[in-house]
Amino acid sequence: QSVLTQPPSASGTPGQRVTISCSGSRSNIGSNTVNWYQQLPGTAPKLLIYSNNQRPSGVPDRFSGSKSGTSASLAISGLQSEDEADYYCAAWDDSLNGPVFGGGTKLTVL
Amino acid sequence: EVQLVESGGGLVQPGRSLRLSCAASGFTFEDYAMHWVRQAPGKGLEWVSGISWNSDSIGYADSVKGRFTISRDNAKNSLYLQMNSLRAEDTALYYCAKEIGRMVRGAHFDYWGQGTLVTVSS
Repeated sequence: QSVLTQPPSASGTPGQRVTISCSGSRSNIGSNTVNWYQQLPGTAPKLLIYSNNQRPSGVPDRFSGSKSGTSASLAISGLQSEDEADYYCAAWDDSLNGPVFGGGTKLTVL
Repeated sequence: EVQLVESGGGLVQPGRSLRLSCAASGFTFEDYAMHWVRQAPGKGLEWVSGISWNSDSIGYADSVKGRFTISRDNAKNSLYLQMNSLRAEDTALYYCAKEIGRMVRGAHFDYWGQGTLVTVSS
């Protein structure tokens, strides 16, 4: 049981916009910034969004993040086949005194 | 180019020990906190442990507290994870990850290694 809650799966067709939600509590998302990671099949996770809505260099602007209260979301617009991957949200948890992850969302491009 | 290369994984019996290493290059290792994150087969990511730039601040997940010990050698640009009293549920791919700052105070890992597989089984 992950501390942060994500839907196990999401899907969309090429060109569509898809959003993935991440729900937490006051001790994690409510008090700290949210980061998102993309894990392509068979590879290590890669930082996709940091500090709620910032993109590292090289990440396309099709990817965007937002946060409100104790929830966050990742939006992917202009969906492409290469976006098919697992997506994880993460945040520091003040009660657990460590980082916590969501259970991950498997994105399928139909 | 930042590189993190884990090693030391393998098959080990329950109750035994294993020591993982992570060799870092391409950045000033001593300036950043480092972490271990694991992923059980077919499962999600789980933070294991983190250590600040100067080893003054260390944290562990409850699932490994008292059994695992994280350490670093800044002179050797290396991170370690000593794993004792291993259990079947510790079976996972163990990733070394770099924090963006000096302290263990975030979930912001900007570089990851490719992982080393630990299998605990009799």
